[in-house]
Amino acid sequence: SQQGEEDPQALSIQEGENATMNCSYKTSINNLQWYRQNSGRGLVHLILIRSNEREKHSGRLRVTLDTSKKSSSLLITASRAADTASYFCATDAGAGSYQLTFGKGTKLSVIP
Amino acid sequence: DAGITQSPRHKVTETGTPVTLRCHQTENHRYMYWYRQDPGHGLRLIHYSYGVKDTDKGEVSDGYSVSRSKTEDFLLTLESATSSQTSVYFCATQKLARGQETQYFGPGTRLLVL
Repeated sequence: SQQGEEDPQALSIQEGENATMNCSYKTSINNLQWYRQNSGRGLVHLILIRSNEREKHSGRLRVTLDTSKKSSSLLITASRAADTASYFCATDAGAGSYQLTFGKGTKLSVIP
Repeated sequence: DAGITQSPRHKVTETGTPVTLRCHQTENHRYMYWYRQDPGHGLRLIHYSYGVKDTDKGEVSDGYSVSRSKTEDFLLTLESATSSQTSVYFCATQKLARGQETQYFGPGTRLLVL
């Protein structure tokens, strides 16, 4: 069963706009990660946020984590056509487990 | 990027035949994983390894077996392929030290079972 669930399933925006994707999960975690997958390729790690962190930035990426609501959001600012990809959140199972459970992903299309 | 290769990259096989997929890494990462990716299901864990000869089942392990005789190689075998095993298979590795929880993915293998 999926631990993380992304919302929306698909998102289409114009280049230059911001894109926000959300992830909800069910059980306690140590950390939450976001990955990106370009069409026909493997997943690439974007950013990791730990359970004791509320917000983290990396370049044009901003991730927030609300452990009380068991939710996270990924914001991509000033989107580019090259940001077109699927984005997945992944959570561990907590309690020393290092396995990740991936959501079904959000497919982002950035229109030039 | 971690040096992870998968072979073959594409394979077409017939129902009932055994199939072995190979994952090779050059990063000396301790943990290795096999996932399958299907539309509407995201990535699902098949099996994983936490060291040479140490493996365990994931969420969707039925019909699959794995072996890890060397740190760098992790093999996934479909004992008798079925059409439901048509999928894209990804291998991933993980160093597993504090601050190193990231998984690194291979390019994937597209498997079609006819």
